[in-house]
Amino acid sequence: EDKVVQSPLSLVVHEGDTVTLNCSYEVTNFRSLLWYKQEKKAPTFLFMLTSSGIEKKSGRLSSILDKKELFSILNITATQTGDSAIYLCGTPGAGSYQLTFGKGTKLSVIP
Amino acid sequence: DVKVTQSSRYLVKRTGEKVFLECVQDMDHENMFWYRQDPGLGLRLIYFSYDVKMKEKGDIPEGYSVSREKKERFSLILESASTNQTSMYLCASSPWRTTNEKLFFGSGTQLSVL
Repeated sequence: EDKVVQSPLSLVVHEGDTVTLNCSYEVTNFRSLLWYKQEKKAPTFLFMLTSSGIEKKSGRLSSILDKKELFSILNITATQTGDSAIYLCGTPGAGSYQLTFGKGTKLSVIP
Repeated sequence: DVKVTQSSRYLVKRTGEKVFLECVQDMDHENMFWYRQDPGLGLRLIYFSYDVKMKEKGDIPEGYSVSREKKERFSLILESASTNQTSMYLCASSPWRTTNEKLFFGSGTQLSVL
């Protein structure tokens, strides 16, 4: 059975802090790992990772995948209150296109 | 931009009612999905569909059914709503046969069953 575990489940930081969110996975025939940000309702796409060691970056957010150790991290530097959200990671199962998601990390950034 | 539209943002129903949640996407995607999201449990897949009139059970299909009569529309049906079906329901779509598994989500329907 495919499994995705995110940690921590919740995190409270002050503006300007750097945070690291973790996502470990167990899936047959791994293809990709995706990160989403969910602020209000609809999760919005952040990154898709398929290769180990190649960092994907968008502004203050970056993510990297380790296919040997079966995990990914999402880094956010110089956090802002607008980064407060639930961050989801998910991966498609073998031969399928639906994503199995972790429980999410709820990030709260306080001024 | 892909748009996935869910017909209701908030819905309040009574136990035993039949409930329809509608989802429409405008990008000709073959794949459509229904997830529910609960605090502490994350997103869990209820049903999905790869084509018109085709459906597959996800991880938690009990108490739900779906309908896909047209490619752009995927409906989730609660035959007899129960209080444990109070949840946020998210619809998503993606194109078929692509190496890009990115899902596009709707804004969600918060369903309360009283």
